[in-house]
Amino acid sequence: DARVTQTPRHKVTEMGQEVTMRCQPILGHNTVFWYRQTMMQGLELLAYFRNRAPLDDSGMPKDRFSAEMPDATLATLKIQPSEPRDSAVYFCASVGVSYNEQFFGPGTRLTVL
Amino acid sequence: QKEVEQNSGPLSVPEGAIASLNCTYSDRGSQSFFWYRQYSGKSPELIMSIYSNGDKEDGRFTAQLNKASQYVSLLIRDSQPSDSATYLCAVRMDSSYKLIFGSGTRLLVRP
Repeated sequence: DARVTQTPRHKVTEMGQEVTMRCQPILGHNTVFWYRQTMMQGLELLAYFRNRAPLDDSGMPKDRFSAEMPDATLATLKIQPSEPRDSAVYFCASVGVSYNEQFFGPGTRLTVL
Repeated sequence: QKEVEQNSGPLSVPEGAIASLNCTYSDRGSQSFFWYRQYSGKSPELIMSIYSNGDKEDGRFTAQLNKASQYVSLLIRDSQPSDSATYLCAVRMDSSYKLIFGSGTRLLVRP
């Protein structure tokens, strides 16, 4: 059953703490996206990678957010330090070679107090 | 002007009716168009993709694309209460794999 997995599913933390979210794309998919969804802003693209190389991170606040893909089976999104305005659901999605369709993971619901 | 626009709804239809969801986009060079369904508290789920003008049918779902009018729609026939969700229109505007999402239309199907 091929699907994108994300951990943790829920995270509650205090302002100023570091948060790391992980994503395992569908096996064989070479393009990975990070999105953030809030009621106010909807679904926003933060960054994406192809073949582990970052292609676009223009949607990401550079001072506190960082995204990496250390290997083909793991993508990470880190927030340091976290702020209450970072509270949102963070989704990872992946696309396979020669395909157009993005498949989303279940998301990480982040609450920063 | 937003790049992908949808009416936020809610669109309320009775069970068994046809639900019509609409989306307009700004980039005339857009190539690929997608409809995602998102239940409350869940992740977006791809339900339709369409790449050329005309209609594409899959079960109770029909996607319609009119590139000249920069318009894409989703029809749901024989609507069921289980179709109640937010429907997100997404457009791929260039050669990258980036998608631009609309803000979604909330659909309510009344039993």
